[in-house]
Amino acid sequence: DAGVTQSPTHLIKTRGQHVTLRCSPISGHKSVSWYQQVLGQGPQFIFQYYEKEERGRGNFPDRFSARQFPNYSSELNVNALLLGDSALYLCASSFKAGAPNIQYFGAGTRLSVL
Amino acid sequence: SQQGEEDPQALSIQEGENATMNCSYKTSINNLQWYRQNSGRGLVHLILIRSNEREKHSGRLRVTLDTSKKSSSLLITASRAADTASYFCATSFGNEKLTFGTGTRLTIIP
Repeated sequence: DAGVTQSPTHLIKTRGQHVTLRCSPISGHKSVSWYQQVLGQGPQFIFQYYEKEERGRGNFPDRFSARQFPNYSSELNVNALLLGDSALYLCASSFKAGAPNIQYFGAGTRLSVL
Repeated sequence: SQQGEEDPQALSIQEGENATMNCSYKTSINNLQWYRQNSGRGLVHLILIRSNEREKHSGRLRVTLDTSKKSSSLLITASRAADTASYFCATSFGNEKLTFGTGTRLTIIP
C-alpha cells in the first residue's frame, strides 16, 4: 500500500509569491495534518483537517491556509512568501481524529524562498 | 513553539552500544510518542506511551515516562548503523495535534 505522498518534492520560490503544496493520505485515512520544520528544529503544527473540516490550527499567520477534498487529499497554501517560510513542510495522515493516534508522515516538500 | 527539549542535542556512539536520549515537556499530556527522522525527510513513528503507563518496550526500544517530572527517555539497545538519525519526542493532549521537541541527532559509528 502507498504511504503518504507529497508533491512537489522540492520547490523554489521568490519572496511575495504564492505556493500550493499537495498531500495524499494513506488509503482509508480521513485525517490530515500539516507541519512546518525549519532546519535544526522539530516540526511545528500548522493545521489539522478531518472529514474536510478544520479541526485545529497552529500559531501561524493568515497567509497560511489549507483545505481537504472529498477524497481526503489536502492542499496547503502559503501567500506572500517570506524568506522565513523556507522549510520542510510535512503532511501526516491518520485514520481518525483524536488522540491517541499514530500519525504517518510523508517525505515532505522542501520549500526554498529566495 | 516547541513543547520541550531533547537531551543531548547530539550523541555519537559505537555500533553495538546502547543509546539513551531524554525528552522534557512543559504541559499535561495524554500520551507521548517517539519518532525517527532520516536525513531531514519524513518522520517514522517508533513507539507511543500513554500518560498512565510508566514503561513500554518494542523490539530494541525501551521508553519510560515520568509524568511527575514531565520527562521521558528512549533507550535503543545494541545500536546499528541504520539507527543513525534524528529522534524526536512528541506530546499530545486532548486532540491529535503533536507538539515536538527539538530532537536528538544520533550517530552510530561502525
